[in-house]
Amino acid sequence: NAGVMQNPRHLVRRRGQEARLRCSPMKGHSHVYWYRQLPEEGLKFMVYLQKENIIDESGMPKERFSAEFPKEGPSILRIQQVVRGDSAAYFCASSPGGRGRDYEQYFGPGTRLTVT
Amino acid sequence: GDSVTQMEGPVTLSEEACLTINCTYTATGYPSLFWYVQYPGEGLQLLLKATKADDKGSNKGFEATYRKETTSFHLEKGSVQVSDSAVYFCALSLSGGYQKVTFGTGTKLQVIP
Repeated sequence: NAGVMQNPRHLVRRRGQEARLRCSPMKGHSHVYWYRQLPEEGLKFMVYLQKENIIDESGMPKERFSAEFPKEGPSILRIQQVVRGDSAAYFCASSPGGRGRDYEQYFGPGTRLTVT
Repeated sequence: GDSVTQMEGPVTLSEEACLTINCTYTATGYPSLFWYVQYPGEGLQLLLKATKADDKGSNKGFEATYRKETTSFHLEKGSVQVSDSAVYFCALSLSGGYQKVTFGTGTKLQVIP
């Protein structure tokens, strides 16, 4: 059973370009979360999605950032007009969902975005 | 809001030394508690977890006990190895439909031979 997959692993963009980060959840998982890790900091929650729905985007910057999780295909985190401050590691996690207390999020290897 | 506070690093230990990384939390509900480990250049791996008070999570020689009275979840290991060198994150999530995870800032551990 393949784990959470993210691509690309490394992405370099010039200021003003767009960045697209992809996340394929584990098989059978319908919930996806995106986190951002700035240098020397912990992970900060950005957005939580289920198939075709954004459930919680309270951690997303108000401008330039968007996320989707279509019925078919991977979840996409899109950053428009990138700036140097967007340079970070972006991690995706997935979970099977449900209301139990005893499930966990499985993290992907991350995409390291560098804005030059 | 919910938050996690863990001791700042870096922590440098000799091989076979005892490890304790302190973690305390603030939560509006009844959280599940986690320790994640991040090896250099990699993503996060769940190290251990505890979902209710007095539960002890354990894995790979690491242990942590959910202490509701002190709102703590300290990570311990009796004898560290060089291969344990990594960044350790304490985290919590609340039940109720989904589990947004709130992380501490991480503690870097370096074990020297």
